[in-house]
Amino acid sequence: DAMVIQNPRYQVTQFGKPVTLSCSQTLNHNVMYWYQQKSSQAPKLLFHYYDKDFNNEADTPDNFQSRRPNTSFCFLDIRSPGLGDAAMYLCATGRDRGSYEQYFGPGTRLTVT
Amino acid sequence: GENVEQHPSTLSVQEGDSAVIKCTYSDSASNYFPWYKQELGKGPQLIIDIRSNVGEKKDQRIAVTLNKTAKHFSLHITETQPEDSAVYFCAVKEYGNKLVFGAGTILRVKS
Repeated sequence: DAMVIQNPRYQVTQFGKPVTLSCSQTLNHNVMYWYQQKSSQAPKLLFHYYDKDFNNEADTPDNFQSRRPNTSFCFLDIRSPGLGDAAMYLCATGRDRGSYEQYFGPGTRLTVT
Repeated sequence: GENVEQHPSTLSVQEGDSAVIKCTYSDSASNYFPWYKQELGKGPQLIIDIRSNVGEKKDQRIAVTLNKTAKHFSLHITETQPEDSAVYFCAVKEYGNKLVFGAGTILRVKS
């Protein structure tokens, strides 16, 4: 089945220790998104890619970076995690720039100790 | 930017009853309105969406209605079942493909 896969599902990191979350998709979708969802809150867009074209949200902290080496994979790097970065991180895909539907992966729950 | 308000924040219904969740938005140019269901520990799942050129869309027990003049849209679930219990988010497409989400509604279906 075509799908959005996120690894790991649960990640524990120490305060200030860099961490990378990964997302892969078998949908062959052109657009990939990263969202942050804190407990009992709505998902908040961090950035997205149209193919290799990176689009950062204005209020996304510099601490968050992303890489998309190919169509199938996208990574979220948190350079120096703080306690406030503990959250669920959701990856989503969209078919192309003109398509509105977004399809989410299961998320990675990040804990910062 | 777009402002999306969602009500109620929690909703409890008896199994078999209907549930209605409403969202209002601010930008009259918005033209795409999806609804997502999120179960505990999982990612949001797109359950239904509507575009601005239609007023209503139905898929089995769920329906979405859109009032562009009043800038609100609603999710209707009929004949609710325990497995409908989840958090439901409305969203509105902003510039580009960006979605702005409502705060969510916790739906509990009591059997």
